[in-house]
Amino acid sequence: EDKVVQSPLSLVVHEGDTVTLNCSYEVTNFRSLLWYKQEKKAPTFLFMLTSSGIEKKSGRLSSILDKKELFSILNITATQTGDSAIYLCAVSPLVWGKLQFGAGTQVVVTP
Amino acid sequence: NAGVTQTPKFQVLKTGQSMTLQCAQDMNHNSMYWYRQDPGMGLRLIYYSASEGTTDKGEVPNGYNVSRLNKREFSLRLESAAPSQTSVYFCASRVADYEQYFGPGTRLTVT
Repeated sequence: EDKVVQSPLSLVVHEGDTVTLNCSYEVTNFRSLLWYKQEKKAPTFLFMLTSSGIEKKSGRLSSILDKKELFSILNITATQTGDSAIYLCAVSPLVWGKLQFGAGTQVVVTP
Repeated sequence: NAGVTQTPKFQVLKTGQSMTLQCAQDMNHNSMYWYRQDPGMGLRLIYYSASEGTTDKGEVPNGYNVSRLNKREFSLRLESAAPSQTSVYFCASRVADYEQYFGPGTRLTVT
């Protein structure tokens, strides 16, 4: 059975800290791994990763995939209160297929 | 483009009542999905439709039915609502190997 595990489940940091979120997976016929940010509404897309070792970057957020060890990390540097959200990791096993989501990591950034 | 739209935004049902959640997308996506989200459990797939005319069960299909009315619309029906179906429901759509786009969600309470 496909499985996606995120850690930690929650964390609290101060503004300016760096945060590292983990996502490990077990899935047959892996195609891609996606990260989403969810504030008090629908998830919004951050990154899609398909190749090992290639960092994707958007502002203070970056992510990388390790297909050998079956995990991905999402880094947020110089955190701001607006980064407070649930971060969801999902794995796509097929081209058109359903996404398997992890439980999410709740990040709280305090001023 | 409205993206993915859902109605209603909020609903309160009594145990045993039925209702249909509506979802539509205007992005010409082939695949559509229904998820439920409960605290600490991420997004769990209820049903999905890879293309017009096809539907398949996801992780938690019991108590639900779906209809892919046409390429744009994918509805979710609760035939006899139960308190365990209290949740936030998200519809999503996707084309090929790209990210899923989510609707704004429906907050359902069953008393």
